[in-house]
Amino acid sequence: EPEVTQTPSHQVTQMGQEVILRCVPISNHLYFYWYRQILGQKVEFLVSFYNNEISEKSEIFDDQFSVERPDGSNFTLKIRSTKLEDSAMYFCASSDRINGAFFGQGTRLTVV
Amino acid sequence: DAKTTQPTSMDCAEGRAANLPCNHSTISGNEYVYWYRQIHSQGPQYIIHGLKNNETNEMASLIITEDRKSSTLILPHATLRDTAVYYCIVSDTSGTYKYIFGTGTRLKVLA
Repeated sequence: EPEVTQTPSHQVTQMGQEVILRCVPISNHLYFYWYRQILGQKVEFLVSFYNNEISEKSEIFDDQFSVERPDGSNFTLKIRSTKLEDSAMYFCASSDRINGAFFGQGTRLTVV
Repeated sequence: DAKTTQPTSMDCAEGRAANLPCNHSTISGNEYVYWYRQIHSQGPQYIIHGLKNNETNEMASLIITEDRKSSTLILPHATLRDTAVYYCIVSDTSGTYKYIFGTGTRLKVLA
């Protein structure tokens, strides 16, 4: 069964450093998403991406964040200068629009 | 903000059917209802979705009322591994098709 894969599963970084979280969406999906979940809180939408551009972003997705689809398979989330409050689980998802979004198992980002 | 309302928590005895309700009174004609669950801090897992008709798959059944203002997810024979937070989501058909998670229902299956 096709699945969304995310790497790394856990990333520890120092405050102020840049991190790149990677995702391989399901191959025939055209809609891509990043979500985050701070420990004990709900899953929050960050950004959606379609046709090689951002289609929508939330208030959380400020100038420190960027997304890219550098090739035909990968979808990345970059945080330029991490803050302590960026510590969270980050989930990538992909969708064919109708049949629901499928989520990866997440990257646990810890900023120290 | 989420367009759905769900009870905060529910308990269910192992082996019995778990019926999880959801209200989505502002749903519009072309919006789908999706159900997901999240076990611990794993990625949300797709369960089922529907537009108007009732749906069934290997995991669950989805019953949507005729006016589409509410739905019920049914896990026919709950097991301990079904303990999770269950989310009812109405898709955003504004063009971005994003999925907005509310706080969901924390289902605890009891032995």
